[in-house]
Amino acid sequence: QSALTQPPSVSGSPGQTITISCAGTRSDIGSYDRVSWYQQPPGTAPKLVIYEVTNRPSGVPDRFSGSKSGNTASLTISGLQAEDEAVYFCASYVRNSSLLIAAGTQVTVL
Amino acid sequence: QVHLEQSGAAVNKPGASVKVSCKSSGYVFSGYYMHWVRQAPGQGLEWLGWINPSSGATNYPQKFQGRVTMTRDTSISTVYMELNSLRPDDTAIYYCARDLKRYCAGSGCYAYMALGYWGQGTLVTVSS
Repeated sequence: QSALTQPPSVSGSPGQTITISCAGTRSDIGSYDRVSWYQQPPGTAPKLVIYEVTNRPSGVPDRFSGSKSGNTASLTISGLQAEDEAVYFCASYVRNSSLLIAAGTQVTVL
Repeated sequence: QVHLEQSGAAVNKPGASVKVSCKSSGYVFSGYYMHWVRQAPGQGLEWLGWINPSSGATNYPQKFQGRVTMTRDTSISTVYMELNSLRPDDTAIYYCARDLKRYCAGSGCYAYMALGYWGQGTLVTVSS
């Protein structure tokens, strides 16, 4: 199966808005609204921040938002904070009840 | 609250097998699918498959079919992931992760595929 593609790195200053893209295909992101995003600060386990494209789990700040257009999903962080510095992974449901995870994007707060 | 406690670090030789456990608490064990994900040093996340703790049904990606086995013991709310024929590139942190929600439709319940709760991770090192 094809891979999901994210930019290796994205940076922004505190207070700015950044967007991380996750490019897929018609076989994954384009066919299912089952896209999730995970945040992983250094040395910790990943944490779910977005599920089903746009939904935030309880406790995740509303600065985090998700969207999808065609075969590409996006995670937007508004009002960037120092604590948002982490690696972010997107994931998509694919056929046969499997999960495809992208390589991740390093977010740096300048 | 939901808590997943994994077994400790392991060192294994190439060709051997490793079995990692993940003990659940704080929720109804049989109600939520459990996944395993691994992360090699400095690398991204790789999905290893899921197990339905209620039925024991499993699903593995093609890459790991024949090499990974997921089981559960409902009496102690624990799932296991066994990987055999270990190679040095299997060196990684292995995580168990529970589905965020139950996803039931029609006559069955299915993997929700959003990993809402994670264990602390288990470092598996493969070295001769």
